[in-house]
Amino acid sequence: NAGVMQNPRHLVRRRGQEARLRCSPVKGHSHVYWYRQLPEEGLKFMVYLQKENIIDESGMPKERFSAEFPKEGPSILRIQQVVRGDSAAYFCASSPMRSGHRSGANVLTFGAGSRLTVL
Amino acid sequence: KNEVEQSPQNLTAQEGEFITINCSYSVGISALHWLQQHPGGGIVSLFMLSSGKKKHGRLIATINIQEKHSSLHITASHPRDSAVYICAVPYSGGGADGLTFGKGTHLIIQP
Repeated sequence: NAGVMQNPRHLVRRRGQEARLRCSPVKGHSHVYWYRQLPEEGLKFMVYLQKENIIDESGMPKERFSAEFPKEGPSILRIQQVVRGDSAAYFCASSPMRSGHRSGANVLTFGAGSRLTVL
Repeated sequence: KNEVEQSPQNLTAQEGEFITINCSYSVGISALHWLQQHPGGGIVSLFMLSSGKKKHGRLIATINIQEKHSSLHITASHPRDSAVYICAVPYSGGGADGLTFGKGTHLIIQP
């Protein structure tokens, strides 16, 4: 039973290019969360998705960032026209239910992260 | 928005010592997470707890909902415990959706 798979692990882009980060959740998990970790900073929530739906995108920058979780295939975090400030580690986590919704069970699984460097 | 404070920010200890990391948050929650991030960057979820105490091996997590405080303890610490330990609570404070994270505690266990 594979865990959360993220790819690419490392991605280098020039300013103005697009970055696509993919996340395949644990088999059977239908809830996906994206988090960003800027250099020397803590993790920040970006977006929460269920299959084909964005549930909460309150942590996403209003421009250039989008996320999807299609019926088939991985969840994708897309960053258009990247800037140097987008350089960060992007983590995906999956859960069979809403994170924190069920007490007494540790149900959140994190991927290894995708490290984006913008030159 | 829930504010999460962790202490200490950095901790260096000798192998075998008992370690305590503290976490305080500002808004009442239904559950709190403790995470471990290794030098390679990967994140592992250690505990999710909503009351009392949980134990897994040498790790113990406690939470006091009334005080809005949680502690992570490591007994008989070992160099392989060296990592960043992160406390996280629900983003909205309502027990659902994403998480708000503390800045982490950088733990180094020296042999």
